[in-house]
Amino acid sequence: QKEVEQNSGPLSVPEGAIASLNCTYSDRGSQSFFWYRQYSGKSPELIMSIYSNGDKEDGRFTAQLNKASQYVSLLIRDSQPSDSATYLCAVNDSGGGADGLTFGKGTHLIIQP
Amino acid sequence: KAGVTQTPRYLIKTRGQQVTLSCSPISGHRSVSWYQQTPGQGLQFLFEYFSETQRNKGNFPGRFSGRQFSNSRSEMNVSTLELGDSALYLCASSRGSGGVETQYFGPGTRLLVL
Repeated sequence: QKEVEQNSGPLSVPEGAIASLNCTYSDRGSQSFFWYRQYSGKSPELIMSIYSNGDKEDGRFTAQLNKASQYVSLLIRDSQPSDSATYLCAVNDSGGGADGLTFGKGTHLIIQP
Repeated sequence: KAGVTQTPRYLIKTRGQQVTLSCSPISGHRSVSWYQQTPGQGLQFLFEYFSETQRNKGNFPGRFSGRQFSNSRSEMNVSTLELGDSALYLCASSRGSGGVETQYFGPGTRLLVL
């Protein structure tokens, strides 16, 4: 059973600070990693994708991947109240997609004004 | 470019009925994946269609089925509805299959089974 683990939170961060979200995965052969943001009552929207070890930056967001440790993280700099949402980590499986994307249950992030 | 669309957005059904949900992918995307989202289980993979063929299937009973048409639009069907089928059903499209490429989600269909 492939698993993706996230701390459910809530994670409370002051406005303007850095929010750090973490995710571990069990399938060592996974190649594709995604962070989605989901507002209450809405569908997930893509924040970042990352495929190689290291950091990938896009605006205020930085995704970090460490395949040896089977660990993915998302940093949000200069956090804004509009960043308050549930953040889902998703990982593809190494078996050609037989299991689709495996999602963590999400971290609920609250940015306090 | 238009995003993924799903119809209907909301549905109320009773136990034992069947339901069909529709998904139109982003233009040029050939893969459509379906997911079920519930508060307890989170997002779970139902199946994926690529070029009208079911490529992958999650761990759901046979009451859940789907198909894809030549224009890449997809439908999923749930027969003999149970209370536990109440959920948000999401479809996602991507250019390729296998979960390697980014999947973009539609707004979802919220199904309530009474």
